[in-house]
Amino acid sequence: HSALTQPPSASGSPGQSVTISCTGTSSDVGGYKYVSWYQQHPGKAPKLVMYEVTKRPSGVPDRFSASKSGNTASLTVSGLQADDEADYYCSSYAGRNTFVFGTGTKVTVL
Amino acid sequence: QVQLVESGGGVVQPGKSLRLSCAASGFTFRTYGMHWVRQAPGKGLEWVALILFNGSKKYYADSVKGRFTISRDNSNNTLYLQMNSLRAEDTAVYYCARPLTWDDENDAFDIWGLGTMVTVSS
Repeated sequence: HSALTQPPSASGSPGQSVTISCTGTSSDVGGYKYVSWYQQHPGKAPKLVMYEVTKRPSGVPDRFSASKSGNTASLTVSGLQADDEADYYCSSYAGRNTFVFGTGTKVTVL
Repeated sequence: QVQLVESGGGVVQPGKSLRLSCAASGFTFRTYGMHWVRQAPGKGLEWVALILFNGSKKYYADSVKGRFTISRDNSNNTLYLQMNSLRAEDTAVYYCARPLTWDDENDAFDIWGLGTMVTVSS
């Protein structure tokens, strides 16, 4: 499976919203409920921020939301804060117990 | 608390081998499938391998199939990654990761270790 396609960068001012897309195929994003999103600050391990397309782990603020339509998933971060500046990766189950990540998006808070 | 700690990384020559370990604590390790995920310097995340809770089945990315072997010791709460025939393109931080739930190894990667760096260079 090829990496899922994400825009290299996205940005917004504090308090604004930013939306990141994640495009795959019917064999991964479009075919399963197992789409998740990860936040990674420089030099740190990734952190799960959304799972099973729309679910939020405990402790993740409700400023984070996500959706899926066809082969494209999206993550929206509302009310941008300085700490939201990070790299974001989507991931999808790709069948036969394999997984694929997105290319990553660097979010900048202006 | 729930924790994963990787070790075993280092600098190794192309063609050589290395074994990574991941010590788990704070949860019932023997009930969870476990993953390895890697990240080359300045690059994105790449899923490497999955092992089921009891070690009965193992799955690999095409890029490492036939060279890497994932295994586990449930009596010692430890996950392993044996890496053979290493190549320069295997240079990366290697993370072990636990799924969100014990009964669904295909769910999201919930708990991550801090990672261990592997550098393949002559």
